[in-house]
Amino acid sequence: QQQVKQSPQSLIVQKGGIPIINCAYENTAFDYFPWYQQFPGKGPALLIAIRPDVSEKKEGRFTISFNKSAKQFSLHIMDSQPGDSATYFCAASMSAGANNLFFGTGTRLTVIP
Amino acid sequence: DTGVSQDPRHKITKRGQNVTFRCDPISEHNRLYWYRQTLGQGPEFLTYFQNEAQLEKSRLLSDRFSAERPKGSFSTLEIQRTEQGDSAMYLCASSPRGADTQYFGPGTRLTVL
Repeated sequence: QQQVKQSPQSLIVQKGGIPIINCAYENTAFDYFPWYQQFPGKGPALLIAIRPDVSEKKEGRFTISFNKSAKQFSLHIMDSQPGDSATYFCAASMSAGANNLFFGTGTRLTVIP
Repeated sequence: DTGVSQDPRHKITKRGQNVTFRCDPISEHNRLYWYRQTLGQGPEFLTYFQNEAQLEKSRLLSDRFSAERPKGSFSTLEIQRTEQGDSAMYLCASSPRGADTQYFGPGTRLTVL
C-alpha cells in the first residue's frame, strides 16, 4: 500500500514555467515532509522540507504548499530551468520509531529550453 | 567531500552469488538507513541503525539480507544467494541526532544476471 501518492508521473514545461507536483498522504502521524531531487545514476538530494505547523515554505525557487486538513502538499518550482530536469520525489516520515522515509513514486520533470 | 559514500558504485553478479556493499555515513551522524530503489520507483526502506544497534527491519528484508554497523560508524549490507529480483539501486542515508533530515549517498547499482 502506497503511503504517499504522487502525481503527475511526468511533466513537461517550457523554460520559465512553474511546474507543480502534488502529493497526498493518509497517515496523520506523519510530521515531516521533504522533497528530493534525483538525477539519473545519482542518489536523492534534499531540496526543501516542511512540517505540518506551517502552510508554506520557500527556499530559493522552490516552494512547498501544505494543506493539513486535506492531507496534501505540493512543490512549485519558480522560473524553471533546463537544469531542473530531473525526477522529484515527495516523502513523509514520523518522529516516533525509525523515522524512515516513505516516498512517492516520483515525477519526471523535463524543462524545454 | 564529507557526504555519504558508498562502495562499490556498481556491482554485476551471477544469480546465487553473495554480495556485500559498504556505506560510510557523514561523520557523527548516529542514524543510518538502507533503502532499495527499483527502476521508476521511489526508494523503499529496508533497515535502520541507531549507532551500532539495528532497531528496525522492513518486511522487504528477507532472511537472505543482513546488515551490520559494528562500531556505529560504517555499515555493510550483505545479500546471500542473489536472485534476479534483487537487481536494484541500494541507497544508504544518514541523519544526525535530533534531526529528521536524511542525507543520501550515491547508491550501489546491483545487477544480478
